[in-house]
Parts: sequence; structure tokens; C-alpha cells
Amino acid sequence: DAGVIQSPRHEVTEMGQEVTLRCKPISGHDYLFWYRQTMMRGLELLIYFNNNVPIDDSGMPEDRFSAKMPNASFSTLKIQPSEPRDSAVYFCASSGGQGLTAQYFGPGTRLLVL
Amino acid sequence: SQQGEEDPQALSIQEGENATMNCSYKTSINNLQWYRQNSGRGLVHLILIRSNEREKHSGRLRVTLDTSKKSSSLLITASRAADTASYFCAMLNDMRFGAGTRLTVKP
Repeated sequence: DAGVIQSPRHEVTEMGQEVTLRCKPISGHDYLFWYRQTMMRGLELLIYFNNNVPIDDSGMPEDRFSAKMPNASFSTLKIQPSEPRDSAVYFCASSGGQGLTAQYFGPGTRLLVL
Repeated sequence: SQQGEEDPQALSIQEGENATMNCSYKTSINNLQWYRQNSGRGLVHLILIRSNEREKHSGRLRVTLDTSKKSSSLLITASRAADTASYFCAMLNDMRFGAGTRLTVKP
């Protein structure tokens, strides 16, 4: 298995632009998680899905952030409009079961908003 | 939030020495997991210990769990330079991670 796939790996954009991050979870996993990591705030859970349904989005910082999972093999995290404080590494992870199994992380998308 | 708190925040040792990291949490758990993150990479699952287990081994890793003290420790024996990374504990009842311990192993 190729593991969790994220694209793009790096993104540089200007403030105000829309940013879309993509994730393909491991086949057969029914949980998908989006995290954001910065030096200041560490690793933050933004949102997670179970069977394509958002379960907990309390970590989404504000309305500029939205996430979708249209099917079991694809999810997007969108930031519109982007701001410099959104600069971070965004990780997607998938898991085969809540609380009892490991999460498998993708390589991350390094986002820089100028 | 049920995220664990790792201690110490940073640890620097010589190659060959043992490294011990601790994790404390606040409420009851089903299991506790340890992850490693190399610089610039995603987290990698190391080991899971269930609430009814007290100790678990995997290669050079040894994890203990004391539910009465709400704490866990990760021991890396005979450390190598390649063990240099950040280590996180997680109670995946809550899908959240603490700040981690940054381990540096000097060759």
C-alpha cells in the first residue's frame, strides 16, 4: 500500500488566495483526520471524518477553513481566503478504527502564505 | 481535551545511552499510543499499550503504563543517532497530541 497520499507537498501563495489541500487515505480505513502543525501551537486536530461524515470539526479555526470528504478515497481541506497566520504544515492521517488502532500519517503539505 | 503532556520537553543524550520520556494524562483511557516524528515528516506509530496492560516491548522500545498515576513512559535502550526525533503520546479516545519530547542523540 502506498500509504496516505497528500498533495501538494509544498504550496506558496499570497494572502487572500484560495488554497486547497488534498488527501487520499489508506484503502479500507474508515477514519480520516486533518491536523495542522506549527512551532507555536504544536500539532492541532482540525477535523475528522468517519465513513465520509464529519464527526468533530471543533478544531477548525474559523469559517475560512472548510473540509470535505466526497468519498472514501478522497478529502480536501480548503482555506479561503488564506492569511499569513495559516502558514503551517498540514497533515492528513487515516485509521482503521477509533481509539484502538494506529493513525497513519501522510507526508504533510507545507503551506506558506505571503 | 484529553491530550497527553510529555516530559521532558527536550532531552539530549549520547549514542548508546538510554532515553526515557514520560507522558501524563488526566482522565481514564482505553489505550495509549506513542508516535515518533522525524524533522519535516509525518508522525509514525511506534507502539500501543492498552489500559489493562502494564508493560509492552517492541525491539529497543519499552512502554509502561500506570493507570493509577495516569502516566506512561517510553524507554529507548541503546539509543542511536537515528533515534533523534520528537516523540508524542496520544490517547486516541480524543485524537489529540501533546507537545512532544524532542530527543537528540549525539553520535
